[in-house]
Amino acid sequence: RKEVEQDPGPFNVPEGATVAFNCTYSNSASQSFFWYRQDCRKEPKLLMSVYSSGNEDGRFTAQLNRASQYISLLIRDSKLSDSATYLCVVNQGGAGSYQLTFGKGTKLSVIP
Amino acid sequence: DGGITQSPKYLFRKEGQNVTLSCEQNLNHDAMYWYRQDPGQGLRLIYYSQIVNDFQKGDIAEGYSVSREKKESFPLTVTSAQKNPTAFYLCASSPRGGSFNEKLFFGSGTQLSVL
Repeated sequence: RKEVEQDPGPFNVPEGATVAFNCTYSNSASQSFFWYRQDCRKEPKLLMSVYSSGNEDGRFTAQLNRASQYISLLIRDSKLSDSATYLCVVNQGGAGSYQLTFGKGTKLSVIP
Repeated sequence: DGGITQSPKYLFRKEGQNVTLSCEQNLNHDAMYWYRQDPGQGLRLIYYSQIVNDFQKGDIAEGYSVSREKKESFPLTVTSAQKNPTAFYLCASSPRGGSFNEKLFFGSGTQLSVL
């Protein structure tokens, strides 16, 4: 079975802290990687794609380590509004095919 | 505004009853998907469709059925054969489907509960 594993948390951090989540995947042929954010009982929303060279969007940095088969998400200067569940999503179907696998999510609570 | 509309937001099913969840999109996307989410669990794929009049089973298709008669519509029927239907159901779409770098756009979900 092709798995995507995440630490479920919860991660409870104070405002302004830096927090990092990891996600491991089992299929070395995986081609694309994403982080989605999901608020309680709402739909997931794309936070960022993860590129081989790593990418940054404001306070968020995503990195990919193909050799160790994990991706990471770093959040700097945490805000109360960052409180949510962060879903790791991997397309494990290989090039040209669709097989998105979702992790169970990591819950983040930013505390005043 | 373009988007995906799911209805109803809350749905209750009696024992032995079939219920249908609606999903409509006006994004002109080719591909549409149905996921199920249980508390503390990741999303699991029920069915997906990459073009009109064609659809494929996902990981947990048993007890569910779908149709794709129109590009913009992908309704999901939860049949009486699905013995544990209580869950949060999410519909999604993507522009082409089958592309490994496709991003998903989600509807706001339907919470289904059994009476």
